[in-house]
Amino acid sequence: DQQVKQNSPSLSVQEGRISILNCDYTNSMFDYFLWYKKYPAEGPTFLISISSIKDKNEDGRFTVFLNKSAKHLSLHIVPSQPGDSAVYFCAALPQGGSEKLVFGKGTKLTVNP
Amino acid sequence: GAGVSQTPSNKVTEKGKYVELRCDPISGHTALYWYRQSLGQGPEFLIYFQGTGAADDSGLPNDRFFAVRPEGSVSTLKIQRTERGDSAVYLCASSLSARPGELFFGEGSRLTVL
Repeated sequence: DQQVKQNSPSLSVQEGRISILNCDYTNSMFDYFLWYKKYPAEGPTFLISISSIKDKNEDGRFTVFLNKSAKHLSLHIVPSQPGDSAVYFCAALPQGGSEKLVFGKGTKLTVNP
Repeated sequence: GAGVSQTPSNKVTEKGKYVELRCDPISGHTALYWYRQSLGQGPEFLIYFQGTGAADDSGLPNDRFFAVRPEGSVSTLKIQRTERGDSAVYLCASSLSARPGELFFGEGSRLTVL
């Protein structure tokens, strides 16, 4: 049973436009939500996170939005660049001090020049 | 190097054999994690060490899997009697736990069981 779901396996956008990656979760008992980026043959790298008590966090071109009532979060990248092409994983950290990150299946983003 | 180092990067073995995968975390990182990523899936938690002790091993799929971190630095993931379903990329990560969930991953060890 997938607790963190990324329903779009892939997304293609034009350079300079906005990329919006979506993630849904089923468990209300998550403390933090995170996005990781992964290039081929490399390990995932941390991108941005948001606490469950907030609804927005911004870091440069990357913004994460959290809608707790809908159990939905999204990652906005603007403007998108070809170097952003990668697989993006949504992840969640359970409450209670757990260190057990729960990942979605990932969305492959392609930014076309 | 400054990052998490994993060896071997690729391992091909036959069903039933024993395998060891090694992880050298970032110096000074007290927390160490093992995840497994199968094709088309996200990373799946296996085990978490804080120092030398396994703080949470609830993700280990069965008793064929075992991990150690005897001196609180390097860790070894051990898989006995490998099965074809064990084929995956095994990812190691470390952290200072300064920001919740912010892990530094290695490049992974790709295990193929024939």
